[in-house]
Amino acid sequence: ELKVEQNPLFLSMQEGKNYTIYCNYSTTSDRLYWYRQDPGKSLESLFVLLSNGAVKQEGRLMASLDTKARLSTLHITAAVHDLSATYFCAVDSNYGGSQGNLIFGKGTKLSVKP
Amino acid sequence: DTGVSQDPRHKITKRGQNVTFRCDPISEHNRLYWYRQTLGQGPEFLTYFQNEAQLEKSRLLSDRFSAERPKGSFSTLEIQRTEQGDSAMYLCASTLQGSNQPQHFGDGTRLSIL
Repeated sequence: ELKVEQNPLFLSMQEGKNYTIYCNYSTTSDRLYWYRQDPGKSLESLFVLLSNGAVKQEGRLMASLDTKARLSTLHITAAVHDLSATYFCAVDSNYGGSQGNLIFGKGTKLSVKP
Repeated sequence: DTGVSQDPRHKITKRGQNVTFRCDPISEHNRLYWYRQTLGQGPEFLTYFQNEAQLEKSRLLSDRFSAERPKGSFSTLEIQRTEQGDSAMYLCASTLQGSNQPQHFGDGTRLSIL
């Protein structure tokens, strides 16, 4: 059974600092996604990672995937208050075939303070 | 592209009543997913459709739950004889199978059982 673990679950950062969120998953998969969720809102897609060594960047966020280690990271550079949200890692349950359902981690609640 | 639309946004009902939610996916998307999210947790998969065919159902989907996508466009999720434990946010997502796009989520229906 595929399980997805994120850490930390809570992260309080100062503006301007850097930090990394980790996502480990238990069985082989070839599609990994990062989503952002603001309080009371739905999930917004941030990154799609499809191959070993994939790296994607958007603004102050950079995501990477190591399929051999079953690990993805979401790196935050020079955090700003607008990045405060909950970040979810999700892994496709259907390896080697068409897209299946997503298995989500519990999320990392990020709070960026001045 | 008007995004994934869900209706209603909120539903409050008494225990034992039946409720039905609707999801309108992005028009060209043939895959439609239902997830449930409780406070502080990541979304949990319930079921998904490709066109009108229901391809997979989670063990979470008890026999009180039924979902349909009769013409391969909108979908409905019905919960019969609601229980306190059904209180959650019900999220719908859609994607185009084979496109490697992420799943696009709607704003959800928040269900509260009195």
